[in-house]
Amino acid sequence: DGGITQSPKYLFRKEGQNVTLSCEQNLNHDAMYWYRQDPGQGLRLIYYSQIVNDFQKGDIAEGYSVSREKKESFPLTVTSAQKNPTAFYLCASNRDRVGYGYTFGSGTRLTVV
Amino acid sequence: GQQLNQSPQSMFIQEGEDVSMNCTSSSIFNTWLWYKQDPGEGPVLLIALYKAGELTSNGRLTAQFGITRKDSFLNISASIPSDVGIYFCAGLAPGSARQLTFGSGTQLTVLP
Repeated sequence: DGGITQSPKYLFRKEGQNVTLSCEQNLNHDAMYWYRQDPGQGLRLIYYSQIVNDFQKGDIAEGYSVSREKKESFPLTVTSAQKNPTAFYLCASNRDRVGYGYTFGSGTRLTVV
Repeated sequence: GQQLNQSPQSMFIQEGEDVSMNCTSSSIFNTWLWYKQDPGEGPVLLIALYKAGELTSNGRLTAQFGITRKDSFLNISASIPSDVGIYFCAGLAPGSARQLTFGSGTQLTVLP
């Protein structure tokens, strides 16, 4: 079955370290997105990519970086510059230009220890 | 950018009761979507609405695309324990390509 796979499910990071969250999709979707979710909060857009080798900053891109070298993959790096990285991170993808609903992964919970 | 005001922020209801929640905006949207998020999981699409005035059902769920294109409603009838979760509205604004705007969510708790 097609879908989006995020890994790992849980991730612990020491202060000052960079960590990379994986997002892979086999839906043949062009667009991919990264969102951050804090407890009791909505979804805030970090980065998005509508095509391979191209991506744009979302509302809260500072302290994060991404790459889109393959259509299937959109990894997110949480850098040491992100001062409050503990959160639930969601990856999503979208099929075409018309704007049908996103398909979400099951998320990665990142905790700074 | 566009913002969606979703209410209520949280709800505590008895099993069997009906539930209503809504999203409003100061600007128009071409598409309205409703998602449900179970604890520790990603949101799952429940209902998609593409035309003003459209009323769509999915089992016990019914959603409407407001006639002004600035609001949407989700109703859940005869709630059951597995309805617990966070419900998000999302909208696609004209000219926004494929980028959705999300509401802040409604946390639903169903009491036995």
